[in-house]
Amino acid sequence: KAGVTQTPRYLIKTRGQQVTLSCSPISGHRSVSWYQQTPGQGLQFLFEYFSETQRNKGNFPGRFSGRQFSNSRSEMNVSTLELGDSALYLCASSWGRGVVRPEAFFGQGTRLTVV
Amino acid sequence: GQQVMQIPQYQHVQEGEDFTTYCNSSTTLSNIQWYKQRPGGHPVFLIQLVKSGEVKKQKRLTFQFGEAKKNSSLHITATQTTDVGTYFCAGGVNNNDMRFGAGTRLTVKP
Repeated sequence: KAGVTQTPRYLIKTRGQQVTLSCSPISGHRSVSWYQQTPGQGLQFLFEYFSETQRNKGNFPGRFSGRQFSNSRSEMNVSTLELGDSALYLCASSWGRGVVRPEAFFGQGTRLTVV
Repeated sequence: GQQVMQIPQYQHVQEGEDFTTYCNSSTTLSNIQWYKQRPGGHPVFLIQLVKSGEVKKQKRLTFQFGEAKKNSSLHITATQTTDVGTYFCAGGVNNNDMRFGAGTRLTVKP
């Protein structure tokens, strides 16, 4: 079974631009979560999508948005990029959202550099 | 918002020494998950604990979930260079959400 696929792997953008990152979850997984990882900050939760609906959202400004398609693939968008948005963006998929959350499978991440 | 605290942030050990990382929450967790991220890699699921006081072992790794389900620990016996990486805990909190700790970065000197 193929793993979680994130594209692109690396990206360099200029301040003020916008960017869209893509995540294809494991086949059959309906939950997709996005995280921002920076040195010393661990994994900061951005948002989670399940069945095309945003279920949870972290403490990030409105410049960060996302969506999920009917095939469970997800995209996240960051508008008006700032230097501080430079980070590794990780996507994680799991099969569901039961009372006890199942394990999450992470993609390789997209390394975004804002210059 | 609700947070899961993890300590220490860094740990450097000599190969063969033991290592422990701790995860604490101010509120009761529904479950706790542990992940390992190798340098340059992505987090990989290690284990999940659900029951109060639960203890699970994976070879040299021992995972514990506190009686009050507010804390957890990961203990590695006799570390090896292959144990190098960052260990994250993730606690199940309100709204069916998982919150990750900041991680403990382990380095092992041969």
